Amino acid sequence: NAGVTQTPKFQVLKTGQSMTLQCAQDMNHEYMSWYRQDPGMGLRLIHYSVGAGITDQGEVPNGYNVSRSTTEDFPLRLLSAAPSQTSVYFCASSLRGEVISPLHFGNGTRLTVT
Amino acid sequence: SQQGEEDPQALSIQEGENATMNCSYKTSINNLQWYRQNSGRGLVHLILIRSNEREKHSGRLRVTLDTSKKSSSLLITASRAADTASYFCATDFNFGNEKLTFGTGTRLTIIP
Repeated sequence: NAGVTQTPKFQVLKTGQSMTLQCAQDMNHEYMSWYRQDPGMGLRLIHYSVGAGITDQGEVPNGYNVSRSTTEDFPLRLLSAAPSQTSVYFCASSLRGEVISPLHFGNGTRLTVT
Repeated sequence: SQQGEEDPQALSIQEGENATMNCSYKTSINNLQWYRQNSGRGLVHLILIRSNEREKHSGRLRVTLDTSKKSSSLLITASRAADTASYFCATDFNFGNEKLTFGTGTRLTIIP
């Protein structure tokens, strides 16, 4: 059981380049989300999805796009990378229901934009 | 903006001692969760406490919740070197994980 898998683990981009961070989960979780983690800031929610075909914005969505075509995958796209997007990105998933379920996190993608 | 703020930001204790960290939040919540993050890894769920609960235990972990003070504490008893990690509280005011809000974390170091 792989859980939540994020690729790549590390990435360096130049300002203006685009890229997609991949996230896949094999637990049949309806809910998936992307967070960024910056020193002293904790985790901030970028985008989330409550099921295939449904996405919504979090606290810091600007500069990022997401789509959810399948239950398993939730890629995060950086359209035109900026140095302010240098961060560690975490994907997380959970079941949805009347009773809240814990989030399962991937091991992160460390992104540097120069 | 951050909903939760952990206190202290960093804590160093000797192995075998107890560690206590606190979380304060701003608005009424449905649930509060605690997560652990080892260096270079993703977060791992530790324990969840609902707004109608005051205390919860899981192994060496004890969590309390005081909704009147909008605060929670996490106690780790008989600490071990493997407990060295960052600890985050997370709160939700909607039902579920949608827009779950994390605090800034407490960095715990256990000295062998």
